[in-house]
Amino acid sequence: LAKTTQPISMDSYEGQEVNITCSHNNIATNDYITWYQQFPSQGPRFIIQGYKTKVTNEVASLFIPADRKSSTLSLPRVSLSDTAVYYCLVGGAYSGAGSYQLTFGKGTKLSVIP
Amino acid sequence: DVKVTQSSRYLVKRTGEKVFLECVQDMDHENMFWYRQDPGLGLRLIYFSYDVKMKEKGDIPEGYSVSREKKERFSLILESASTNQTSMYLCASSQDGDSYEQYFGPGTRLTVT
Repeated sequence: LAKTTQPISMDSYEGQEVNITCSHNNIATNDYITWYQQFPSQGPRFIIQGYKTKVTNEVASLFIPADRKSSTLSLPRVSLSDTAVYYCLVGGAYSGAGSYQLTFGKGTKLSVIP
Repeated sequence: DVKVTQSSRYLVKRTGEKVFLECVQDMDHENMFWYRQDPGLGLRLIYFSYDVKMKEKGDIPEGYSVSREKKERFSLILESASTNQTSMYLCASSQDGDSYEQYFGPGTRLTVT
């Protein structure tokens, strides 16, 4: 079972780029890495997903090194509305082999300061 | 617009009661999930269902059971609620395929007294 480790909290000023790293040393071959954002009193919301190298969408980039033992979520030019908890999730497709393996990190609370 | 709804936002039950938490998705997704979220522990998977009447245990299934009689509905059952099951419960769904993007409901805050 892939265990994930993230920083508990981070602070950033508005307009800066923020990088949040998640460690997942025991990631399995068929595991994907997904990042979610959660605001208070809401369910998590999908940000980005990747398997290896770099993925970019309209809100974030995800960097995954060749050994896939970590991943870094990059948020360009954060604003106050990006203040939230960010979770990394490591997991793969259902294989029919028994219990389903999905591991969320404990989350990184990002505070954006004016 | 994608939607996952949960039957209650807040619920208060007594120890020993049988509790049903309902989740409905309108996206025709094959996969549905139940998580609990606790401070300092993040989200932990309780049960997963990949098809009607099919289920798999997650990381913390003890004390819980699930039911999926229809594709759009996934129920979490606490047979005999205990105080250590006080938590935020989140339901999610996802489509089969290469993407594991999950869509979450707003959550149910359950308090067991």
